[in-house]
Amino acid sequence: AQSVAQPEDQVNVAEGNPLTVKCTYSVSGNPYLFWYVQYPNRGLQFLLKYITGDNLVKGSYGFEAEFNKSQTSFHLKKPSALVSDSALYFCAVRDSTGTASKLTFGTGTRLQVTL
Amino acid sequence: GAGVSQTPSNKVTEKGKYVELRCDPISGHTALYWYRQSLGQGPEFLIYFQGTGAADDSGLPNDRFFAVRPEGSVSTLKIQRTERGDSAVYLCASSLQPGHLGADTQYFGPGTRLTVL
Repeated sequence: AQSVAQPEDQVNVAEGNPLTVKCTYSVSGNPYLFWYVQYPNRGLQFLLKYITGDNLVKGSYGFEAEFNKSQTSFHLKKPSALVSDSALYFCAVRDSTGTASKLTFGTGTRLQVTL
Repeated sequence: GAGVSQTPSNKVTEKGKYVELRCDPISGHTALYWYRQSLGQGPEFLIYFQGTGAADDSGLPNDRFFAVRPEGSVSTLKIQRTERGDSAVYLCASSLQPGHLGADTQYFGPGTRLTVL
C-alpha cells in the first residue's frame, strides 16, 4: 500500500523568508510524486511533479521540490514566500509500476504567510 | 482551454435520498478519476475510468456508490440512500491517455460539496 505523511498541520512564515513544507512517502517500486495547492472553495491546482531525472524539480509560482530517495522525502520549497502563497498544500504519491493511476494524498499542510 | 467542470457546485439533500454528481473532463482526456475529500483530510480515491470502463473501483466505499461514463467523456457519480457520513467534497480529475507525455498529471475540477441532512 502507498501512503504519504505531512507531519505539519500548519507552517507559518514571514513574507520574504524561505519556506519548506515537508512530505514523506511510502510506495512499492519507484514513486511518482506530486504537489498540489488548494485555495478556499477551489479545487486542487497542480504545482509540480517528480517522475524521474533531476532530484530538484521546479514548478509553478516559483515553487520547487527536492526528491530524496534515501529519506523517502519530497519537501516543497520556495526561496521567498509571498502572502498570496497562503493556502492548503497537498503532497501525493502513486506507484510507477503497472497501470494503477490512483493518487494517495497526505492530510495537507496549511501555509500561512504574514507581512 | 477549459478545465474540468463539475455540477452542481453545491448539493444539499436529505438522508436516504438519491443524488447524482456530474463531471465534464478536459477535452481529449481519456482518463477520469473521482475522489472524495472530507473536512480536514486529503482527497481519497474512489474510482478511475479509462475510456468508458472503470479500470479501478477499489475506492468505492460500498454498493451505494456507483459511477458511469457511457460515452467516454462526461461521468456521473451516483449515490443511493445517502447517509450523513457521505457529506464531503467530491472531486473529479482527468488526465491524458497513459503513454502520452504528461499523462501522469491529473487536473482537478472545483468539486461538488455534498451535504446530507
